[in-house]
Order: sequence, then C-alpha cells, then structure tokens
Amino acid sequence: EDQVTQSPEALRLQEGESSSLNCSYTVSGLRGLFWYRQDPGKGPEFLFTLYSAGEEKEKERLKATLTKKESFLHITAPKPEDSATYLCAASQAQGAQKLVFGQGTRLTINP
Amino acid sequence: KAGVTQTPRYLIKTRGQQVTLSCSPISGHRSVSWYQQTPGQGLQFLFEYFSETQRNKGNFPGRFSGRQFSNSRSEMNVSTLELGDSALYLCASSLGDTNEKLFFGSGTQLSVL
Repeated sequence: EDQVTQSPEALRLQEGESSSLNCSYTVSGLRGLFWYRQDPGKGPEFLFTLYSAGEEKEKERLKATLTKKESFLHITAPKPEDSATYLCAASQAQGAQKLVFGQGTRLTINP
Repeated sequence: KAGVTQTPRYLIKTRGQQVTLSCSPISGHRSVSWYQQTPGQGLQFLFEYFSETQRNKGNFPGRFSGRQFSNSRSEMNVSTLELGDSALYLCASSLGDTNEKLFFGSGTQLSVL
C-alpha cells in the first residue's frame, strides 16, 4: 500500500534555530514529491515539487531535498511567521492528480 | 486572479441527511480534485474530475459522489450522512495536464450531529 510518513508530528523551535522535517515514502512509480504549507483555517499552499533523487529546491528560508526513499524540508533561521503545518505528498506515475499525503508536521517558532 | 472558492464555509447536518458542497476553480483550470481532511486520517483523496469526467477515484464508499460542469465548477455530494463524515472537505484545482501543482480552497467544514 502506498504510504507517506512524516516526522516529527510536532516541532517547537526558537526563532533562528534551524532544523529539518522528514518525509519518508513507499510509493510505486513515484512521479513527484510535493511539499505544502497549511495555516489554521486554510487550505494547503503549494511550496515545492521534486521529481528525482538528488533534486533540491529553495524558497526563502526553506529548502527541500529528495532521495530515493525520503525527502527533507530544511528550515534555516526560521521566523515566527514560518509557524504552520507542513504537509508532504506523493503522486504516482499514473493518476497524477491523486496525491497521497502524510499526516503533517506542526511547526511552532517561538520569538 | 481569484483563487479556488468553496461554499459554504461551514455546514451542520444530522445523520441520515445529504449534503452538497460547491467548488469554483481558478479560471482556466480544468481539473478539480476533492479531499477529506480529518485529525485522525489527515488528507485523503476522494476523486478528481477533468473536463466533466471522473478521472481518478479514491477509496470512499458510493455515498460520496461528485460532478463537474462545463464551466469546470464542481459539486460534491454525500448522501446518508454518518457521524464519521464530519471533516474539512477541500477542493483543489489545477491545469490538469502534466502539471500536478494543486491550488486548494479554504474548505467546507462539515459537522454531522
């Protein structure tokens, strides 16, 4: 069964304290690995898509990386506004619009 | 450019009733997907419509159905509501071809009493 697992479930950091979120996946025929951010009361907001092992993408304080079995979302010198739930999702070679989501990591950045 | 619009924002129903949720995608987007989000199960794929045809379907019972109109707007229907159907229902739109980047609405929060 296709599965996406994220860890940790929750993470509390001080402002400026860098860390990484993990997403491991078992999906046959992976087409893409996605990262989304979700704020309370809102739908997920797209951050990155990664397609092949070794690929990296960056946006402001966030960098996403992909290996054959997992993806990492690195957060460098985070600010309180980076507090949110970060979701990882995988799509298969077929059914490209169907995403399998992980449970998410709830990130809190204290000032 | 307007984002994905979902109505209503909140709904309260009782067991056994049925409900219809509406989604207006971003202009030019031909694919609309529906997801159910609960604290226990997270986000789970319900179905996807592209050019008025259901293209993908998740593992939900037949009580969950949907349709898409010629203007790409979509509706989702749940019949014979159960307590376990209480959830945030999210609609997402995309161009629908090889671009899988999804744009989500804010969702409809359904409570079944």
